Amino acid sequence: EVVLTQSPDFQSVTPQEKVTITCRASQSIGSSLHWYQKKPDQSPKLLIKYASQSFSGVPSRFSGSGSGTDFALTINSLETEDAATYYCHQSSTLPWTFGQGTKVEIK
Amino acid sequence: QMQLQESGPGLVKPSETLSLTCSVSGGSIGGYYWNWIRQPAGKGLEWIGRIYISGTTNYNPSLKSRVTMSVDTSKNQISLKVASATAADTAMYFCARREDTFDIWGRGTMVTVSS
Repeated sequence: EVVLTQSPDFQSVTPQEKVTITCRASQSIGSSLHWYQKKPDQSPKLLIKYASQSFSGVPSRFSGSGSGTDFALTINSLETEDAATYYCHQSSTLPWTFGQGTKVEIK
Repeated sequence: QMQLQESGPGLVKPSETLSLTCSVSGGSIGGYYWNWIRQPAGKGLEWIGRIYISGTTNYNPSLKSRVTMSVDTSKNQISLKVASATAADTAMYFCARREDTFDIWGRGTMVTVSS
């Protein structure tokens, strides 16, 4: 199966700072990489699909990039409501897999 | 707006079968893959498997021998069964619609496996 490794595992950030989370795949997955935001007691919310396509209704401060094995999620000008755990997910090869998650805390 | 709602027993005894239902409202279940995903407390997300309206399924090999999914088009429901449950199956279980990715999720239901 495709193993996704996110970095860092945890990040403490001041509001208005820029945040970058990376996701590395164990083999090339093209652009079949998606990003989700999950808050406690809520279901995950799709932010970015196919590496760089913003999902409907997602604030423009969220953006994605990458292809092949290396991907990134960027949050420009972090807001307090962005405190959450972020997961990457690949849909190139079954079984579909997720990264271990990156928890973003607001200082 | 399509909505998903998971339901089922919150407590299952070890070695018994964990059974959950995902009820879909606001639209038909036709034309999509329906998925189950779980998250143990303090851990990450794990894809369990998917089912299409035709009954075609794909399961995660880590659970394949114990998992069964089914679809009831008359009730707009998708079901999940996990046989021989153990404490390792204790988790929040989500159903999710997949068009080209998981775009609509249920709120999840917590299942604890304990005697």
